[in-house]
Amino acid sequence: KAGVTQTPRYLIKTRGQQVTLSCSPISGHRSVSWYQQTPGQGLQFLFEYFSETQRNKGNFPGRFSGRQFSNSRSEMNVSTLELGDSALYLCASSLTTLNTEAFFGQGTRLTVV
Amino acid sequence: QQQVKQSPQSLIVQKGGISIINCAYENTAFDYFPWYQQFPGKGPALLIAIRPDVSEKKEGRFTISFNKSAKQFSLHIMDSQPGDSATYFCAVTQGGSEKLVFGKGTKLTVNP
Repeated sequence: KAGVTQTPRYLIKTRGQQVTLSCSPISGHRSVSWYQQTPGQGLQFLFEYFSETQRNKGNFPGRFSGRQFSNSRSEMNVSTLELGDSALYLCASSLTTLNTEAFFGQGTRLTVV
Repeated sequence: QQQVKQSPQSLIVQKGGISIINCAYENTAFDYFPWYQQFPGKGPALLIAIRPDVSEKKEGRFTISFNKSAKQFSLHIMDSQPGDSATYFCAVTQGGSEKLVFGKGTKLTVNP
């Protein structure tokens, strides 16, 4: 059974650019959540999607957005990148939204220069 | 406002010893308390989780102790091994959501 796949694994972008990160959940999982991990702030929740609907959003500026497709794959987009957006972005998939086990991908390491 | 306070920030134990990591939370609506283990370069992996209807859960060398009245829960790693060296995160969430609120993490080092 394939795990959660995040692409790309590494990304270097310039301030002001935008970036799109992709997440393919485990087959059959319908819930996808995104997290930002930094040394200073730790793991912070970005969004939660279930059946193409955003169910929860974390305390991040509007530059951060996401979506989920009918096949449960998800993307997140960050526009007008800032240096502080440099982080590991993690995607987690779950079977449903009832506190079932969340499986994390290896993340996308974004560096903004 | 930090919803989950995790301590200690770092922990060094000898092989065979017991590692104990603690978390405290504020919101009594939280009803799912998982612990995650993260190795460098990897995403967090669920280690063990507990719900508030039980006070303790054991899986192999890993045990969660849960104190509902004190709003605290802890992870005990028995017979700690060098392979357990990783960063451990406690988390909380509440019903109907997969939104996890994480503690700041504990870097565990187990010396051989």
